[in-house]
Amino acid sequence: AQRVTQPEKLLSVFKGAPVELKCNYSYSGSPELFWYVQYSRQRLQLLLRHISRESIKGFTADLNKGETSFHLKKPFAQEEDSAMYYCALSGPETSGSRLTFGEGTQLTVNP
Amino acid sequence: DAGITQSPRYKITETGRQVTLMCHQTWSHSYMFWYRQDLGHGLRLIYYSAAADITDKGEVPDGYVVSRSKTENFPLTLESATRSQTSVYFCASSRTGELFFGEGSRLTVL
Repeated sequence: AQRVTQPEKLLSVFKGAPVELKCNYSYSGSPELFWYVQYSRQRLQLLLRHISRESIKGFTADLNKGETSFHLKKPFAQEEDSAMYYCALSGPETSGSRLTFGEGTQLTVNP
Repeated sequence: DAGITQSPRYKITETGRQVTLMCHQTWSHSYMFWYRQDLGHGLRLIYYSAAADITDKGEVPDGYVVSRSKTENFPLTLESATRSQTSVYFCASSRTGELFFGEGSRLTVL
């Protein structure tokens, strides 16, 4: 069965500090991994997906198949990055973009 | 561009009552989903639909019923609400692997 684990429910950093939100997954095949973000009073929205290899709002994430991880990183956190972040997985078992989500990490960036 | 809308945004009901949460999308996306969001559980899939008249169970379908007579609508019904169904419910549609979410419906069952 596929599973996504985000070990940190809460993460607090200071503005300008590096931030890493951890995501580990279990899946037997080749998954597609995503990060979704929910800012206060806004909808959940896609932040990035591993196949696009983009950097969005300064965030990057690298799929490490050996460690089955897809950690989200940003070198210098900003206050506006404070939000709930969800890692999600999709694969052949979950056709049609059906995603399995992790429990989420609430990031707080302090001034 | 309305996108995807949910109604009602907030609902308080009593145990045993039937409740229907509505979801409407204007993009004609084939796939639609209902998730519930709970602290400590993240987002869990309740039901999804691949097209009109095609629905399937997700991870936590018990106590819920869905229908999809038209591509643009995907209502979620709680036939007899229980306190454990107090949650925030999100509807979503998908295009090329990306999910687009509604604003959520916060349901409280007393």
